[in-house]
Amino acid sequence: AAGVIQSPRHLIKEKRETATLKCYPIPRHDTVYWYQQGPGQDPQFLISFYEKMQSDKGSIPDRFSAQQFSDYHSELNMSSLELGDSALYFCASSPWGTGGDIAGDQETQYFGPGTRLLVL
Amino acid sequence: AQSVTQLGSHVSVSEGALVLLRCNYSSSVPPYLFWYVQYPNQGLQLLLKYTSAATLVKGINGFEAEFKKSETSFHLTKPSAHMSDAAEYFCAVSQGGSEKLVFGKGTKLTVNP
Repeated sequence: AAGVIQSPRHLIKEKRETATLKCYPIPRHDTVYWYQQGPGQDPQFLISFYEKMQSDKGSIPDRFSAQQFSDYHSELNMSSLELGDSALYFCASSPWGTGGDIAGDQETQYFGPGTRLLVL
Repeated sequence: AQSVTQLGSHVSVSEGALVLLRCNYSSSVPPYLFWYVQYPNQGLQLLLKYTSAATLVKGINGFEAEFKKSETSFHLTKPSAHMSDAAEYFCAVSQGGSEKLVFGKGTKLTVNP
């Protein structure tokens, strides 16, 4: 079965640089979520999109922005990177609006493999 | 606000022994509850979920969990641990719909031969 695709899988940046993380949801999934997981931490919600509109916002720094495109893929843009931004960034998708292929699956979030960002 | 408490950041069992990972939640509305597993340097894999249907939920790899509203708990169990079960396990809660997941701090499971 198709899974969530994230690119790149690994990224090394210098302080004050910018980074763009991409997420391709499972086909027929219209809702995308971004989470940040620091070393030894639990994942923290950043932002979500439903049908290309921002649906919720969590603890996302003002230096970060995100959007969802017409093909439902999403990009997380990170500027003025800081050492503390080093983390694993997960994208998840769910079929909230479309219902998906499995009954009762609307609220289930399926996670991608993550992008490991290291800021030096 | 919702929250999840996972008792025990580290749990160690012998191969073949019962696995019990504890999760208690707090939610002002009927919750949707999930268990995810994370292997080293990998993403989060869904183990099982409770979405207001049967209170005893069976998942992949022989895991199951029981939703107990009176105890606000959703503990994860497996009758017989296997070496391949060694990983970190996260319990998560949402309000359903397209709402975000709120995760517990995670429990690292070690399986000893």
